[in-house]
Amino acid sequence: QSVLTQPPSVSGAPGQRVTISCTGSSSNIGAGSDVHWYQQLPGTAPKLLIYGSSNRPSGVPDRFSGSKSGTSASLAITGLQAEDEADYYCQSYDSSLSGSVFGGGTKLTVL
Amino acid sequence: EVQLVESGGGLVQPGGSLRLSCAASGFTVSSNYMSWVRQAPGKGLEWVSVIYIGGSTNYADSVKGRFTISRENSKNTLYLQMNSLRAEDTAVYYCVRDRSNGYWYFDLWGRGTLVPVSS
Repeated sequence: QSVLTQPPSVSGAPGQRVTISCTGSSSNIGAGSDVHWYQQLPGTAPKLLIYGSSNRPSGVPDRFSGSKSGTSASLAITGLQAEDEADYYCQSYDSSLSGSVFGGGTKLTVL
Repeated sequence: EVQLVESGGGLVQPGGSLRLSCAASGFTVSSNYMSWVRQAPGKGLEWVSVIYIGGSTNYADSVKGRFTISRENSKNTLYLQMNSLRAEDTAVYYCVRDRSNGYWYFDLWGRGTLVPVSS
């Protein structure tokens, strides 16, 4: 059972918009900790996609965006492309654990 | 080139020990928070341990007392000493950098090293 909760799977057709939710608690997201998102393509290491809840590292397309409110965060992907098919993970810092916590991951399928 | 390269993985029996290494290039390990993150086969990501710039450390409850994170500044290398290994420690272990030094996001990942724990 992961500390952060994500839906196991989402799907969408090419060109559509999808969102992935990430729900935490008062010891992590609700305590003001930033949320970060990673994309993991099959057989590869995760890659930082969004940091500080809504910032994109250099090279990440602006089709990817993040937001945070209360004890939850979400990742939005617009203009869905076949290459976006991957696993997505949210991550934050938990003050009660004094360490990082991840969501269980969401598998995105592009129909 | 800025990169992390893990090594030291391999099959180990339950109760055994293993030391993972992570060689960094293009930046200084001791100037960043450095962590280990693992991923069991077909499962999600799990943070394992961190070493801060000052040298203090912290661990996930699942490995506390069994794993030790350290670094060797002269070799610009991060280590993870794993003792009393269990089947549930079977995973790919990634070495990661938190360049933000406190915002806890991992901007650089190694390719990982597989540690199967089995008799």
